Amino acid sequence: RKEVEQDPGPFNVPEGATVAFNCTYSNSASQSFFWYRQDCRKEPKLLMSVYSSGNEDGRFTAQLNRASQYISLLIRDSKLSDSATYLCVVTSGTYKYIFGTGTRLKVLA
Amino acid sequence: GAGVSQSPSNKVTEKGKDVELRCDPISGHTALYWYRQRLGQGLEFLIYFQGNSAPDKSGLPSDRFSAERTGESVSTLTIQRTQQEDSAVYLCATSLSLAGVWGEQYFGPGTRLTVT
Repeated sequence: RKEVEQDPGPFNVPEGATVAFNCTYSNSASQSFFWYRQDCRKEPKLLMSVYSSGNEDGRFTAQLNRASQYISLLIRDSKLSDSATYLCVVTSGTYKYIFGTGTRLKVLA
Repeated sequence: GAGVSQSPSNKVTEKGKDVELRCDPISGHTALYWYRQRLGQGLEFLIYFQGNSAPDKSGLPSDRFSAERTGESVSTLTIQRTQQEDSAVYLCATSLSLAGVWGEQYFGPGTRLTVT
């Protein structure tokens, strides 16, 4: 079983739609959780950290479920500029950051 | 600058030549990582440095790959006798640990290596 698993997509959604991605992780000792965004041929950029109580940043909401070992990302009112690959990242106990292979999102006009 | 920088941004080399890639970390970030990303693939961990501790080299794919970092400064990744399968984007990232909790990683723009 992979340490971090994501649905690769692609998710094709119309502008204005709400879309949600899930990511599961296998190491119950994981402490830190993040969502990154990666545009084509660019480096990953931090989208948001994920906190135990859940957190929101504008149109983006992240949730953590430790009992079921998954994190989620909700994007409301999708924009064309949201089209990218979204990477789930989990720390593996110590210093290792484990990256999912990413979920591709395409927002259609 | 405020972010992680890498050089060169692009490198084309002939099979069998050696290449050296450079990463300048964010000032104060003690941890530095190198990753490889092949086209259309996920990030592959290569090596990790933390201060003056021994690096974790467990991700280096072969002995043709080596990396150095002095203290908390610049790091170089060297690939000897390059092969076509080494063609990829090489990404450097740095992060900070506070009280054993690891914060966000910040990535440089990467070096796109093409071996012909």
